[in-house]
Amino acid sequence: QVQLQESGPGLVKPSETLALTCTVSGGSISPFYWSWIRQPPGKGLEWIGHIYYSGSTNVSPSLESRVTISVDTSKNQLSLKLNSLTAADTAVYYCARGGLQFASWGQGILVTVSS
Amino acid sequence: DIVMTQSPDSLAVSLGERATINCTSSQSVLYSSNNKYYLAWYQHKPGQPPKLLIYWASTRQSGVPDRFSGSGSGTEFTLTISSLQAEDVAVYYCHQYHSTPRTFGQGTRVEIK
Repeated sequence: QVQLQESGPGLVKPSETLALTCTVSGGSISPFYWSWIRQPPGKGLEWIGHIYYSGSTNVSPSLESRVTISVDTSKNQLSLKLNSLTAADTAVYYCARGGLQFASWGQGILVTVSS
Repeated sequence: DIVMTQSPDSLAVSLGERATINCTSSQSVLYSSNNKYYLAWYQHKPGQPPKLLIYWASTRQSGVPDRFSGSGSGTEFTLTISSLQAEDVAVYYCHQYHSTPRTFGQGTRVEIK
């Protein structure tokens, strides 16, 4: 049973860059797609983007200018970087396996953007 | 972008009764090449990640109780809980994976009456 675990800072300052890691255990990064999804407090789910194990990515146009998604197959990890943070980026960030439907999710990490 | 609109925003159903959630997509989520609807349903409880219930509009994920079913065609889809249990209290989301950006409905909160 694959398990995913997000890690990173819980509090970041406005204008800074958020860096999150998703560690995959119980299975390999390849040959799958991996996605990042977030949920602002009290709001719905928002797809951020996905990456194929080979490194090809597809990112939401609304975040494209600020987002970088990468994968490290040697560490069985994927990463999310989001720059120029504002309060609107405060959310629970999830990683999930898949590029279509998402059957496996991490527990999520709450990231608060505040000075 | 494909806009997913759910109705109602919330509903309260008595234990053992049927709950029905609707989802409308602004564009078709059908791929004619394989005749599959690229539509999924998730259950989301507080403090937990979303749980995949249904994919391809009507295929139940392994381990999901058979009181959950998905149906629909065209741009209209439905999630039905045939006999609501206390553990079904949650927010439910539809999700299209036909096109990028992937999009979700706004969610429907299901409560016990």
